[in-house]
Amino acid sequence: DVKVTQSSRYLVKRTGEKVFLECVQDMDHENMFWYRQDPGLGLRLIYFSYDVKMKEKGDIPEGYSVSREKKERFSLILESASTNQTSMYLCASRARPILYEQYFGPGTRLTVT
Amino acid sequence: KNEVEQSPQNLTAQEGEFITINCSYSVGISALHWLQQHPGGGIVSLFMLSSGKKKHGRLIATINIQEKHSSLHITASHPRDSAVYICALHLGFGNEKLTFGTGTRLTIIP
Repeated sequence: DVKVTQSSRYLVKRTGEKVFLECVQDMDHENMFWYRQDPGLGLRLIYFSYDVKMKEKGDIPEGYSVSREKKERFSLILESASTNQTSMYLCASRARPILYEQYFGPGTRLTVT
Repeated sequence: KNEVEQSPQNLTAQEGEFITINCSYSVGISALHWLQQHPGGGIVSLFMLSSGKKKHGRLIATINIQEKHSSLHITASHPRDSAVYICALHLGFGNEKLTFGTGTRLTIIP
């Protein structure tokens, strides 16, 4: 079974804190993704990575950065958390080529106060 | 205009009813995914379609590429089917991203 795990299910941080969200997959997938999910807006792509040390901006990268030093691990960094970054964050991974299933982690519900 | 639209946004039905959720899109695609999200967050991939029809248990997914439309059907619905169902598009080769619909919230009443 493919497993995508995320470091925390729930996280509460203060405005201005640096926040790290970690994602690990165990299936040697090339592609990894970070999304945020907000009511009425659906899933929106923040960043994705198609290989180690490679990254591409998604639709809403502002206020976020990412790191992929190892193939199995993709980190999302909030440099200075703000209240509008309160959201559900979902990591996903997928093999290449493109016509493969995408596997999601359980999500991290982040609250910034 | 959104590239992908789902209908209905919310659906409440009695246990045992036949359920249909629709997904219409306006762009060329290489594949379409149906995803299920239960309360609590985790998303599970139900189907990936590039043509025709797929069936898994009580779930059936169809796609009509010419009409740019896909449907997800649930037969003999059960309260455990209550979830948000999300349609997602692969826009084409060379594009690694998915484009998501906003989801259909399904509630099955016992």
